[in-house]
Amino acid sequence: KQEVTQIPAALSVPEGENLVLNCSFTDSAIYNLQWFRQDPGKGLTSLLLIQSSQREQTSGRLNASLDKSSGRSTLYIAASQPGDSATYLCAVESSGDKLTFGTGTRLAVRP
Amino acid sequence: GAVVSQHPSRVICKSGTSVKIECRSLDFQATTMFWYRQFPKQSLMLMATSNEGSKATYEQGVEKDKFLINHASLTLSTLTVTSAHPEDSSFYICSARGAGQGVIGQNTEAFFGQGTRLTVV
Repeated sequence: KQEVTQIPAALSVPEGENLVLNCSFTDSAIYNLQWFRQDPGKGLTSLLLIQSSQREQTSGRLNASLDKSSGRSTLYIAASQPGDSATYLCAVESSGDKLTFGTGTRLAVRP
Repeated sequence: GAVVSQHPSRVICKSGTSVKIECRSLDFQATTMFWYRQFPKQSLMLMATSNEGSKATYEQGVEKDKFLINHASLTLSTLTVTSAHPEDSSFYICSARGAGQGVIGQNTEAFFGQGTRLTVV
């Protein structure tokens, strides 16, 4: 059974800092990995999708890497802003067209 | 990205009544839709997967007679919580994806609705 873990569970940083969120998964046989953002009481916004054959994806200030063999992904956020405050979730698709979600990292960026 | 609309965003109902939640893909055909449940400060737990025109596949521990899922068209899936109880109070989120390339689900993103906050009193 696939298990996804995210570290840290919560993070508070001052505005402008670069930061890294971590995601690990137990079964390396995945199709893809997705990073999402969730604002309080809201749905999920897809940030980046990395196919199993890829090593990284970039979108603006966000960069996500994937090391499938070691079961790890990182989300790098450059020059953080208060508007980045949210919960970040990673999810892997490993079989059966299903996503398994991590526990999330709650990010607070202080002005 | 593609848009998935979920309605209503909030609903309060009395114990024993039924509530229907709609999930629509607005600009693409969703061959597969997923329903998740999320408890406060916890991650999303998959409840069931539905493919258009066929019965939903429920995850272990999810009561199919209580959580009725209908995926009648390529743009609409509904979740009906029947005989709701206070313990059914939760945040429900739907997700949709279109047809992939090769194996179903590969190479396609999952797009999520805004979620529905259900409170059963």
